Amino acid sequence: DVKVTQSSRYLVKRTGEKVFLECVQDMDHENMFWYRQDPGLGLRLIYFSYDVKMKEKGDIPEGYSVSREKKERFSLILESASTNQTSMYLCASTQVNQPQHFGDGTRLSIL
Amino acid sequence: EDQVTQSPEALRLQEGESSSLNCSYTVSGLRGLFWYRQDPGKGPEFLFTLYSAGEEKEKERLKATLTKKESFLHITAPKPEDSATYLCAVPFTSGTYKYIFGTGTRLKVLA
Repeated sequence: DVKVTQSSRYLVKRTGEKVFLECVQDMDHENMFWYRQDPGLGLRLIYFSYDVKMKEKGDIPEGYSVSREKKERFSLILESASTNQTSMYLCASTQVNQPQHFGDGTRLSIL
Repeated sequence: EDQVTQSPEALRLQEGESSSLNCSYTVSGLRGLFWYRQDPGKGPEFLFTLYSAGEEKEKERLKATLTKKESFLHITAPKPEDSATYLCAVPFTSGTYKYIFGTGTRLKVLA
């Protein structure tokens, strides 16, 4: 079975902090994704990566950056956390035209 | 424009009362349609992949079907443990690795 592991289930940070969310997959997938999910807004794509060191902006990249130094690991960085970034963050991985496999999510609170 | 629409937004069923969830899509050249189950506070869990019109997949009380314009998730004799949000997704028309997700159907099965 595909395993996508997110480093934290719950995280509390303060405004202005730099926040790192980590995601690791064990299936040698080429593509990895970061989403945020808010009530009534569904899944919104922040960034995705289609290869090591390659990335593309999603629909809501402002205030975020990403890093993919190794194929199995995809990191999401909040450069200077703000309260409107309080959300559930979901990482996913896949091969092209295959279903995405998701981690259990990180519920991030910015105080 | 590529689009995925799910209906209804919410559905309440009595235990044993069968029903169907709908996922309508408009993409050029479907390259797969995926169904997920999401429990509160967790990431989406992959259920089914459908690739061509007429295809059907089954798992326990769930059956997914596909036509050229929509997919249905049929739930036969549901139980309270089937309560969850059900999402469908398709890959974007070629040229990107992104996926389009519907906003989901929240299913509640009452004992």
